[in-house]
Amino acid sequence: GQQLNQSPQSMFIQEGEDVSMNCTSSSIFNTWLWYKQDPGEGPVLLIALYKAGELTSNGRLTAQFGITRKDSFLNISASIPSDVGIYFCAGRANAGGTSYGKLTFGQGTILTVHP
Amino acid sequence: ETGVTQTPRHLVMGMTNKKSLKCEQHLGHNAMYWYKQSAKKPLELMFVYNFKEQTENNSVPSRFSPECPNSSHLFLHLHTLQPEDSALYLCASSQDRSGRSQETQYFGPGTRLLVL
Repeated sequence: GQQLNQSPQSMFIQEGEDVSMNCTSSSIFNTWLWYKQDPGEGPVLLIALYKAGELTSNGRLTAQFGITRKDSFLNISASIPSDVGIYFCAGRANAGGTSYGKLTFGQGTILTVHP
Repeated sequence: ETGVTQTPRHLVMGMTNKKSLKCEQHLGHNAMYWYKQSAKKPLELMFVYNFKEQTENNSVPSRFSPECPNSSHLFLHLHTLQPEDSALYLCASSQDRSGRSQETQYFGPGTRLLVL
């Protein structure tokens, strides 16, 4: 089946630093999504990407849909303590058929921000 | 608030118990999902319902039984679970648009399940 490699697995940074994480796939995706999960909560959608090469921002967050359709990255600028959490990438490959709607998730990046 | 609610938020059950997890979405979506999240593992898709019809069962053991009475509600019935079934169970919903690959899934807060 499809697999996503998300890296790094964890990051320990100082407040104010920029953060970058990425996901790579062995197969092509048509949609890339980035989620954040706080402890004890469900993932919350941060950014959705639908076109190869697309670059989208949401406040201090910026994500890009790789031109090869096999990767995506998420950048967080000027990190703050509330950025702490687990960040997941998710991709979807098929536009139809029985896999329509099925997302493949990365393993997550655990972000710790020191004040 | 994502518009997807789940109850209970926490559940402890014995291996011989029967319990149910409930999910409700207030977003007018037509697709609902159950995921299992275990420590240090990617989210695992369990079931997909599209317009109340089950369209995917990801080789889930029969001790997990989903029910989707309408497009706003989704249940997961649990029976004779094992300790390794302890995990966070997440519900999600999306609006499927035929012909376009642009539905985004919105998650509930999850039910933290502990099987003793």
